[in-house]
Amino acid sequence: RKEVEQDPGPFNVPEGATVAFNCTYSNSASQSFFWYRQDCRKEPKLLMSVYSSGNEDGRFTAQLNRASQYISLLIRDSKLSDSATYLCVPYYGQNFVFGPGTRLSVLP
Amino acid sequence: GAVVSQHPSWVICKSGTSVKIECRSLDFQATTMFWYRQFPKQSLMLMATSNEGSKATYEQGVEKDKFLINHASLTLSTLTVTSAHPEDSSFYICSARDAEEGLNTEAFFGQGTRLTVV
Repeated sequence: RKEVEQDPGPFNVPEGATVAFNCTYSNSASQSFFWYRQDCRKEPKLLMSVYSSGNEDGRFTAQLNRASQYISLLIRDSKLSDSATYLCVPYYGQNFVFGPGTRLSVLP
Repeated sequence: GAVVSQHPSWVICKSGTSVKIECRSLDFQATTMFWYRQFPKQSLMLMATSNEGSKATYEQGVEKDKFLINHASLTLSTLTVTSAHPEDSSFYICSARDAEEGLNTEAFFGQGTRLTVV
């Protein structure tokens, strides 16, 4: 089983849509979790940290289920600028383990 | 927020030459820095973990004699691609965490270096 699994997509959604991404991780010792976004040919940038109780930041909601080793990201009211690849990133030991990413295209 | 500066942003070199990439944490100390490589349409792959003052830890399959990592200070790590070949052409990215912060602190990334070996 891969360390981090994500549906590669692409998810093609119209502006204003709600879209959800899922991620599973194999290492139960993972201590922290993050969602990053990466635009084409650019470095990843932090979107949000994922806390045990779930957390929300504007249009973005992240949830963590440690028992199922599952993380999700919900984007509401999608904007054209949300088009990017979304990377699920567990952290354990000293390593950030990047998922393969899910590509999102928001269409006008 | 914390800033990591990577230089150069892009480089073209001849096959057989060496290329050095620098990664600096500008406003925090980074005991550990990470080096990644990303091929087109693929995910970031960790190459090595660089610890200040000690030898880097390389991931399986990464040649330590080819990808030389030096982490001489708490704010600078360098990656040297030695005797580069066209198959080394890739996007190389470094990242660092603030050594003083807790577990929920994210990694900050450099801007990346696009290496093309001709």
